[in-house]
Amino acid sequence: QQQVKQSPQSLIVQKGGISIINCAYENTAFDYFPWYQQFPGKGPALLIAIRPDVSEKKEGRFTISFNKSAKQFSLHIMDSQPGDSATYFCAARFGNYQLIWGAGTKLIIKP
Amino acid sequence: DTEVTQTPKHLVMGMTNKKSLKCEQHMGHRAMYWYKQKAKKPPELMFVYSYEKLSINESVPSRFSPECPNSSLLNLHLHALQPEDSALYLCASSQAYLLNTEAFFGQGTRLTVV
Repeated sequence: QQQVKQSPQSLIVQKGGISIINCAYENTAFDYFPWYQQFPGKGPALLIAIRPDVSEKKEGRFTISFNKSAKQFSLHIMDSQPGDSATYFCAARFGNYQLIWGAGTKLIIKP
Repeated sequence: DTEVTQTPKHLVMGMTNKKSLKCEQHMGHRAMYWYKQKAKKPPELMFVYSYEKLSINESVPSRFSPECPNSSLLNLHLHALQPEDSALYLCASSQAYLLNTEAFFGQGTRLTVV
């Protein structure tokens, strides 16, 4: 119940295309859903986050879609660029401090 | 300044060595965290400090000893580590204990235990 299931494990997208990463959860007590971007050798950086009372949030080329009834949320990267190549983690907050992380998606954008 | 600075960036240590990892932030954040990240895995929470007091210890072995000398600094003292402790150690900070405020991560220390 504490798991966040992330898919796909890896993703290759052509430059200019749309990258879509999906996450699913079971625990309805999760109340905050961030996405982190991590480049090799670097720490994760918060990319965008959403709360369950919002169905969509957009920041530049990055959009989170949230489906509360299906317990699913996804990250869409529009007009994907080679600089977007990184590992992406979805996460869900539980309690005061605990972040439950997805397994990660390695995204490669082909020029 | 939204930076969390970790030193050193790389560390190789023997199993009998004692070493320390350091983390510094000047954002006025009152919560600081240590995470461990293995290759191709998400970060795993180790410790949480809130207002310079240890609030959470996620059942971490005693060979890892955290210390928070002041509100800007966080150390992780290492002693008698095992090769399986080799990983990227990440420090993070957030404005408050609750993670509804953004957590900023440092670049990490790549630790290799030989």
